[in-house]
Amino acid sequence: GDSVTQMEGPVTLSEEAFLTINCTYTATGYPSLFWYVQYPGEGLQLLLKATKADDKGSNKGFEATYRKETTSFHLEKGSVQVSDSAVYFCALSFPFSGSARQLTFGSGTQLTVLP
Amino acid sequence: DTGVSQDPRHKITKRGQNVTFRCDPISEHNRLYWYRQTLGQGPEFLTYFQNEAQLEKSRLLSDRFSAERPKGSFSTLEIQRTEQGDSAMYLCASSGYGTSGEETQYFGPGTRLLVL
Repeated sequence: GDSVTQMEGPVTLSEEAFLTINCTYTATGYPSLFWYVQYPGEGLQLLLKATKADDKGSNKGFEATYRKETTSFHLEKGSVQVSDSAVYFCALSFPFSGSARQLTFGSGTQLTVLP
Repeated sequence: DTGVSQDPRHKITKRGQNVTFRCDPISEHNRLYWYRQTLGQGPEFLTYFQNEAQLEKSRLLSDRFSAERPKGSFSTLEIQRTEQGDSAMYLCASSGYGTSGEETQYFGPGTRLLVL
């Protein structure tokens, strides 16, 4: 079945450091890919998405590029802030299909940014 | 704010009791999803509605779980005879369509259930 694998955390960085969180997927066909963020005690917020190969999703300084050849969607940010501390989830779905619309999530990566 | 809302935010119950959660989706969204998230894991799909029709159910949704969406608006998720293994965050999401026609899910804040 479909699956998403994320780099294990926790990840601890100093403010203004460069962030990469790796995400790879296994799927039949060509899914859409998402990054969601979850702040403590809250639900998930959509951070960015990409619907086809070579698309780049970006939001709030975060970026991720859909790489079909490596089945990856790594999340990057050039300079993290303390406020970026949260759990980040990579996910896939097939939003154009007639069925199987649910999101399949990775296990999440906890990011802590220190001042 | 017209995002997805869930009620209650927290629920503590004793094993064997029944609990019911409510989700109010974004008003123009006709699809609604329920997910379960256990500690340290990503959310797992439970079930999905298109309008009032429940179109898909995960094998995680045992016969103690039932979900409804009367009139295609709000949805309820009921767990009967709760067990300690039901302790989790229950997330609701509704979905709309982007400019390219793709579906994007928007999540509520979740209901955190603790079964003692």
